[in-house]
Formats: sequence, structure tokens, C-alpha cells
Amino acid sequence: AQRVTQPEKLLSVFKGAPVELKCNYSYSGSPELFWYVQYSRQRLQLLLRHISRESIKGFTADLNKGETSFHLKKPFAQEEDSAMYYCAPHAGGTSYGKLTFGQGTILTVHP
Amino acid sequence: SQTIHQWPATLVQPVGSPLSLECTVEGTSNPNLYWYRQAAGRGLQLLFYSVGIGQISSEVPQNLSASRPQDRQFILSSKKLLLSDSGFYLCAWSTAYEQYFGPGTRLTVT
Repeated sequence: AQRVTQPEKLLSVFKGAPVELKCNYSYSGSPELFWYVQYSRQRLQLLLRHISRESIKGFTADLNKGETSFHLKKPFAQEEDSAMYYCAPHAGGTSYGKLTFGQGTILTVHP
Repeated sequence: SQTIHQWPATLVQPVGSPLSLECTVEGTSNPNLYWYRQAAGRGLQLLFYSVGIGQISSEVPQNLSASRPQDRQFILSSKKLLLSDSGFYLCAWSTAYEQYFGPGTRLTVT
């Protein structure tokens, strides 16, 4: 069965500190992996996808197929990074764009 | 540009009452459409998805149903609400991989 685990429901850091949001997945095949973010009073939106290898708002995520992980990292957290973050694998193929979301991590960046 | 609308934004309904939540998409044609629920303390759970008019797939057994009467309209319904139906309901549409979400409906069943 396809599964994604975000072990931390809550994560608190201080401004300027490094932050890592963990995501582990259990998927057959080679899924595409995404991070979605929901800022306060805003819609859930795509943050980044692993295939594009981008850095968005200073965040990066490395796919580790051996560990089946896709952790989200930022070297220096900012207060505006406070939000709910979801890891979401996509099975690809004929899955019709369906995503499986993790339970989410609420990140709070303190001043 | 594409936009997605959901209404109502909030809803308080008694147990046993019917439910109808509506989602419409503008600026695209034949989108894949999705209904998700976020229950308190839980992640986003995919409830239904649709790849075309009248084509609905259910991901989990539940008290809800979905319909797609038009290409860009997706409706979530229930004949009799349960307390466990309370939650935050999100509609989304997708391109090949990226999903675009509506503002959500907060449903409280009392």
C-alpha cells in the first residue's frame, strides 16, 4: 500500500535557525514527490517538486531512494515560513494525478 | 487564468440533514477534479476524484457521494450527515501533476 509519513506534527524553530521537515514514503515504483504548503488564510499550494530540482523560497528537498525519504530543508528559517507543510507522493502512470498527502507538519518560526 | 471556487465557506448542519458542497473551475477544460477532507488532527484524505463528466471514483467508503454534472462542476453530497463528517473540505483540479486547491469549506455537524 502507498503510504507517506510525516513524523512531526509540530515543529518549532527560531528565526535564522536551520529547519528540516521529514517525510518518508512507502511506494511501489518510482513516485514523483511534492511538497505543498498552506500559509495562514491562504490556499494550499505547491511549494516544490523533486523532479524540477528547484529551490523555492530557500527550501530544497532531496529525494533519497535508498531511505525512501524526501525531507524539506531550509538553512535559515524566516518568520514567514510559518505554515502547514504536506509531503505528497504521486504514483504517476494512470493514477489520474492523485496525490497521497502526509498528515502534515505545522512549522512555527519564532522571532 | 484558471480559478477554482468553492461554496459555502462555512456551514453548520445538524446530524441527519443533507449536504451539498459545490466546486467550480474556470479557465480550463476537462480538468481532473478532486475532493479532499481534512479532519481535526489528521492529514488530507482524498475522498473522490473525477476524470470527466459523470465519471466518479471513490477512494474511501463513507457517508458521502460526489457528482460531476458539468465539465467544470464538482459536487459533494450527503443524504444524512453524521458527526464524523465534520471537517474541512477541499476541492482541487490538476494539470499533469500539480494540483490547484480551492479555498475550502469548513463543515461542522452538530
